[in-house]
Amino acid sequence: GEDVEQSLFLSVREGDSSVINCTYTDSSSTYLYWYKQEPGAGLQLLTYIFSNMDMKQDQRLTVLLNKKDKHLSLRIADTQTGDSAIYFCAEMNTGFQKLVFGTGTRLLVSP
Amino acid sequence: GAVVSQHPSWVICKSGTSVKIECRSLDFQATTMFWYRQFPKQSLMLMATSNEGSKATYEQGVEKDKFLINHASLTLSTLTVTSAHPEDSSFYICSAEGTGLTIYNEQFFGPGTRLTVL
Repeated sequence: GEDVEQSLFLSVREGDSSVINCTYTDSSSTYLYWYKQEPGAGLQLLTYIFSNMDMKQDQRLTVLLNKKDKHLSLRIADTQTGDSAIYFCAEMNTGFQKLVFGTGTRLLVSP
Repeated sequence: GAVVSQHPSWVICKSGTSVKIECRSLDFQATTMFWYRQFPKQSLMLMATSNEGSKATYEQGVEKDKFLINHASLTLSTLTVTSAHPEDSSFYICSAEGTGLTIYNEQFFGPGTRLTVL
């Protein structure tokens, strides 16, 4: 079955870059996503990457995909205190049409 | 656009009662809706997938008689937790997918419902 792993916690200072990592096992994933969850709230899609891409940049966000190693990362440039949240990576297996979420990384940004 | 609402946002009930949670797509037609469960400090676990007008498909280990899902229209799905017990206390999140909305199969998530069973 699918298995998506993330490191549990990341702490950075305001203005620094944050890098959140994710590893997955399903090589047939077509889309991979990064979601943000603030306390007591639902999920907000931040960005996504198609599996035939290596990199995608969207303003402060950069997604890198290493398909060979099944490794996905999210870099947040100039991290702000408002970026403090839990970040989930997720993969979509279009065969089953369902999302499999990672374990989540709690990002804490200190002033 | 593509807003999903849930109601209620939180509910407290006594053990043995049933609780219904609604998930609505406000500005699009949701061909497929998903129900997730999230325990504190844990990830989202898919419970079931429902398509309008057909029976829900439950994930392994999810009791379909315990968690009743109805997707009666293209904008509404309901999850009923029957005979709730304290171990059913959790954060329940729905999402919706609409045909042709995005090319990357985006699911739009509701804000979640926190269920506490006493």
